[in-house]
Amino acid sequence: GAVVSQHPSWVICKSGTSVKIECRSLDFQATTMFWYRQFPKQSLMLMATSNEGSKATYEQGVEKDKFLINHASLTLSTLTVTSAHPEDSSFYICSARATGGTREKLFFGSGTQLSVL
Amino acid sequence: SQQGEEDPQALSIQEGENATMNCSYKTSINNLQWYRQNSGRGLVHLILIRSNEREKHSGRLRVTLDTSKKSSSLLITASRAADTASYFCATDQGGNQFYFGTGTSLTVIP
Repeated sequence: GAVVSQHPSWVICKSGTSVKIECRSLDFQATTMFWYRQFPKQSLMLMATSNEGSKATYEQGVEKDKFLINHASLTLSTLTVTSAHPEDSSFYICSARATGGTREKLFFGSGTQLSVL
Repeated sequence: SQQGEEDPQALSIQEGENATMNCSYKTSINNLQWYRQNSGRGLVHLILIRSNEREKHSGRLRVTLDTSKKSSSLLITASRAADTASYFCATDQGGNQFYFGTGTSLTVIP
């Protein structure tokens, strides 16, 4: 099946620093990638939708200047949490939507646990 | 919010029993999908049902969809300890967006 690689798996950083999370589709091309945030024992909240070569579409309430998304190629999207603060601590998950016959499904990365001190 | 709701929030059953979880959503959909998440991991796709379908089976999974009630159910038969996980429904509402339900935490006791 399709594989999405997300890293790092976990990161601890100081308040005020920026953190970049990468999401790669390893064996398929992903025209669309999604970034979600998940708090403990809660559901996934869609943060933004990114399409290759165009600007990301952010959900209401998500600060686009704080959560920078880049989808420069059909296999790579990055989420940069800028000037991170403790309230940004969360589990971030990316997913990719393939082209072609499997595009109805989402393939997920394994997530990144971000802890901001 | 375009997020769906699931119930129960948590379900604990004995191994071998069946587990049923329900999902309700708010808008029209192209399809509804069920995903599984083990603690601290990404999600794995289980099954997809299209808006013109009413029931679908895959192994021990059975999914139903009632578009008039905007609801779906996932039945896991003959549950196993390895089925312990969180289960989420997700609606494809077109417009290239997926929205997830609140999730059901399933515990299967050996």
